[in-house]
Amino acid sequence: SAVISQKPSRDICQRGTSLTIQCQVDSQVTMMFWYRQQPGQSLTLIATANQGSEATYESGFVIDKFPISRPNLTFSTLTVSNMSPEDSSIYLCSVVGQSGTGELFFGEGSRLTVL
Amino acid sequence: GENVEQHPSTLSVQEGDSAVIKCTYSDSASNYFPWYKQELGKRPQLIIDIRSNVGEKKDQRIAVTLNKTAKHFSLHITETQPEDSAVYFCAASISFNKFYFGSGTKLNVKP
Repeated sequence: SAVISQKPSRDICQRGTSLTIQCQVDSQVTMMFWYRQQPGQSLTLIATANQGSEATYESGFVIDKFPISRPNLTFSTLTVSNMSPEDSSIYLCSVVGQSGTGELFFGEGSRLTVL
Repeated sequence: GENVEQHPSTLSVQEGDSAVIKCTYSDSASNYFPWYKQELGKRPQLIIDIRSNVGEKKDQRIAVTLNKTAKHFSLHITETQPEDSAVYFCAASISFNKFYFGSGTKLNVKP
């Protein structure tokens, strides 16, 4: 299994500001995934973060809006830049466990509200 | 990327009845299909998965079937209980590199 800690768990932000979400994993993992889950909606993949290389973004998401860092194999950050109310969402960090089963583990999520 | 469609969006059943949720995927290279359960305010948790070399998998009251030719897979829950009430998500992955999720099914089991 993998234990994932995210910070902050929730925050209320002002329009136009930026917020960085941290994700810490208790084991070394190759890939870390960032998802967005808007209220009552599905999990949308924002980007895949690999250590030592630039993150790979999904269609509709760009680096200027969601810059990602991956300084080592246990940590990643996602920044939500120049926030608007449409960015209000839960952001989840996830990793595939190291057991080889392919199970995807999620952090508890960071609930952002943009006023 | 992969496109995963899921139906129905809501499902209401009587306790003890069966529930079936269906998903289709677009990328024939997808080879791993997990199902996640998300209770209100909690993170998604894996409940069962199936790989492309298997047609069916069962774990107690839960089963998953896969039709690679038609590119669809289904979750079957038998003898439903109130604690099965949650949102269920299907997903598709190519060798665990990325996971694309369906839109979710809100299951309500009425006692």
